[in-house]
Amino acid sequence: AQSVTQPDIHITVSEGASLELRCNYSYGATPYLFWYVQSPGQGLQLLLKYFSGDTLVQGIKGFEAEFKRSQSSFNLRKPSVHWSDAAEYFCAVVGDFGNEKLTFGTGTRLTIIP
Amino acid sequence: DAGVTQSPTHLIKTRGQQVTLRCSPISGHKSVSWYQQVLGQGPQFIFQYYEKEERGRGNFPDRFSARQFPNYSSELNVNALLLGDSALYLCASSTGTGAEAFFGQGTRLTVV
Repeated sequence: AQSVTQPDIHITVSEGASLELRCNYSYGATPYLFWYVQSPGQGLQLLLKYFSGDTLVQGIKGFEAEFKRSQSSFNLRKPSVHWSDAAEYFCAVVGDFGNEKLTFGTGTRLTIIP
Repeated sequence: DAGVTQSPTHLIKTRGQQVTLRCSPISGHKSVSWYQQVLGQGPQFIFQYYEKEERGRGNFPDRFSARQFPNYSSELNVNALLLGDSALYLCASSTGTGAEAFFGQGTRLTVV
């Protein structure tokens, strides 16, 4: 069965600093990987996705993520965070392309300090 | 264009009652999925429907059921509510396999 681990429950970053959120997945074959962001009281918004090809994927709002098969990781990065980036971030995997079930991690809460 | 719409946005129910949550997908989307998000956790998959047929079911008791209508809207029903059913219920729609899932704002269910 597929699973996702987000080891950091809460991260605090200064505005303008760089950011990296960690995500590790467990799946036997090549997974389909996603990062979603959730603001308080809101639904989920897709930041970026990896299906195949280039292992460095670009997303919206200046985010990028790198797929590393050898480390079973799909870490999310941003070179310079803005106060509006404060939110909950979820990594998710779809293992079987015929089944759209998304398996989510427990999330990382990002706090931005001035 | 309207996004995924869910109703109601909030509701409070008593233990043992039944509840129906509704979801209208984005126009043209034939796939609808339901997720439960308990406070402090990631969303958990409940059901997926495509073209009115159940495509997947998560590890939830039979008290949970769903259906999809000819216009692709969907309902999630939960019977015999328990306190532990209190959560944010999210609906997502997509055009089909491999397509991006778009999420609604969710329905916040509180069971007292």
